[in-house]
Amino acid sequence: DQQVKQNSPSLSVQEGRISILNCDYTNSMFDYFLWYKKYPAEGPTFLISISSIKDKNEDGRFTVFLNKSAKHLSLHIVPSQPGDSAVYFCAASAIPDKLIFGTGTRLQVFP
Amino acid sequence: EPEVTQTPSHQVTQMGQEVILRCVPISNHLYFYWYRQILGQKVEFLVSFYNNEISEKSEIFDDQFSVERPDGSNFTLKIRSTKLEDSAMYFCASSGGRNNEKLFFGSGTQLSVL
Repeated sequence: DQQVKQNSPSLSVQEGRISILNCDYTNSMFDYFLWYKKYPAEGPTFLISISSIKDKNEDGRFTVFLNKSAKHLSLHIVPSQPGDSAVYFCAASAIPDKLIFGTGTRLQVFP
Repeated sequence: EPEVTQTPSHQVTQMGQEVILRCVPISNHLYFYWYRQILGQKVEFLVSFYNNEISEKSEIFDDQFSVERPDGSNFTLKIRSTKLEDSAMYFCASSGGRNNEKLFFGSGTQLSVL
């Protein structure tokens, strides 16, 4: 069951530059998309979300873009900071009570 | 900031034994969830719970699993007869609304079945 895919297991970015994390999905019934960040030994932490009626949502340094025709979403972090180093999970839902997660992308921001 | 707390942080058990994983959701939240992550794999939905009953469950959540809200504060996941493949990090989550927005996750219970 690969309804939500994050094809890049890891990403390394220099501090101050833009980090772009990508996510693809296959289920056209998904109507809500979220990004979570996870540090070791902690649970996922909500970062930003977007509903299917929008194509962009911005919150400070974080912007999520949704391309419904391509079934693709991305998370942009700019400028990237060392504290952003974590595993980032894309998630989607078609049923309100059920989130489908991707496999995660490990972001490392180096000085 | 309010948080979801889970106990224990680590649980080791023998195959075939029953385990109960405990969670205290955020106090004014109404929707409760269990997810799990097998090492190296994605976070998987197990079950959602609202108004004292299961609202959604996945194929993983078979008859060996059950959830309960025994009082006004705790939310538990019971695995009746553990199998080796139940070894995973189990996350409890809660939210104030139904749209999965801002699910608050606990730090997880690492379950190891030997």
